[in-house]
This record gives sequence, structure tokens and C-alpha cells, in this order.
Amino acid sequence: QSVLTQPPSVSAAPGQKVTISCSGSSSNIGNNYVSWYQHLPGTAPKLLIYDNNKRPSGIPDRFSGSKSGTSATLGITGLQTGDEADYYCGTWDSSLSAGVFGGGTKLTVL
Amino acid sequence: EVQLVESGGGLVQPGGSLRLSCAASGFTFSSYWMHWVRQAPGKGLVWVSRIKSDGSSTSYADSVKGRFTISRDNAKNTLYLQMNSLRAEDTAVYYCARGTSYSRWGQGTLVTVSS
Repeated sequence: QSVLTQPPSVSAAPGQKVTISCSGSSSNIGNNYVSWYQHLPGTAPKLLIYDNNKRPSGIPDRFSGSKSGTSATLGITGLQTGDEADYYCGTWDSSLSAGVFGGGTKLTVL
Repeated sequence: EVQLVESGGGLVQPGGSLRLSCAASGFTFSSYWMHWVRQAPGKGLVWVSRIKSDGSSTSYADSVKGRFTISRDNAKNTLYLQMNSLRAEDTAVYYCARGTSYSRWGQGTLVTVSS
């Protein structure tokens, strides 16, 4: 059971928008930066969002991040079939003194 | 180009040991915290351990504390994970990742613990 809670799956049509939620607590999301990762099986996970809402170079602005209190959200607009992947939120938990991830959300682009 | 290349995985019996390596290139390795993250078959990402840029501070997940040891050699640009007393539940792909935001990841190395 993951410390951070994500929906197991989300789906939307090509060109549409989807959001993925990540819920935690004051010891993790509430007081630490959140990052988001895209992971295709058999490949290296890729950082999409760091420090709650910043995009690394090379990540298109179709991907966005936000945080409010003890929850964070990843938004993806203009969905493409190539966006089908597993998405994870992650942060540090100050009480556990450990890194924590959500359980992952599988995105299906119908 | 930033690269992280893990090695050292394989099949090991329960109670056995393995040492994983992560060779870094394309960036100033000695300036970054480094992490190990694993993914068991069909499961999600799980943080395992981290080490400060100069090696002076380490942290571990409760599930591996006392069995795994993270270390680094900044002269060789290499991160290590010594895994002892391995259990079936340690079976996973092990990734090394750079920095506090895990900004770059390796391709992973598979560790299988089975008799």
C-alpha cells in the first residue's frame, strides 16, 4: 500500500485533457515538493514535473503540475496515443525520512 | 549526454547477496544526491535508499534497513547498492536515479531472488 494515493487508471480520447490526482499528508506533499514521472514498461522512468509545477527542458507544455495542501495534480492536454503509460507522483516524507511514490496511474488514450 | 547504467543484477538464492552498480556519465556526479528505486513485477515504483553527494549521509526504506548498504565512489562516478540477506520480496528491477527530483534514471537491472 503506497503512502501517496493515485487512481489506478484514467482514460480519455485523443486530443482531450486528463488529470491525475495524488493525495498525501502534511508529512509528505504538504511540506515537500512533488514530482511526476512517466514510465513505459521496460524503459527508464522520465521526469515530467518537478518542484510541484516546473517542467524540465524538453517536456512539452501539454504537461502541467499543481499542488494544493496535501494533494497534487498532473494535467495532460492534447492527448496523444504516445502518452499511454504509467504515471507516478513522488516526494519526500519528512516523518518517515524516506522517499515515497504513489501507486501509479495507467493512462489509456482511447 | 547524461547517462546512468546499472549492472550487477541476476538470479540469487534467498539469503544470498548481490552488489549493484550504477555508472554515471555526462554530469558532475559528485554534486548530486543519488537514489535507488525498485519496481517489483506488476507493481509500482518504490524508493529504496539515498546517499548525499559526498557520501556523508544515507537513508533507507524500512523494508531494506539493516540488509542493504548504499555507497558511492565519486572518483569512479559510480553508485553502489550492497544487498545482503536477500528475500523473495526483493525481486524487482532496480533503478538508480539522480538528484532530489530523480531527474534522470537508468534503464534498470533485474534482481531475482529464488531457489
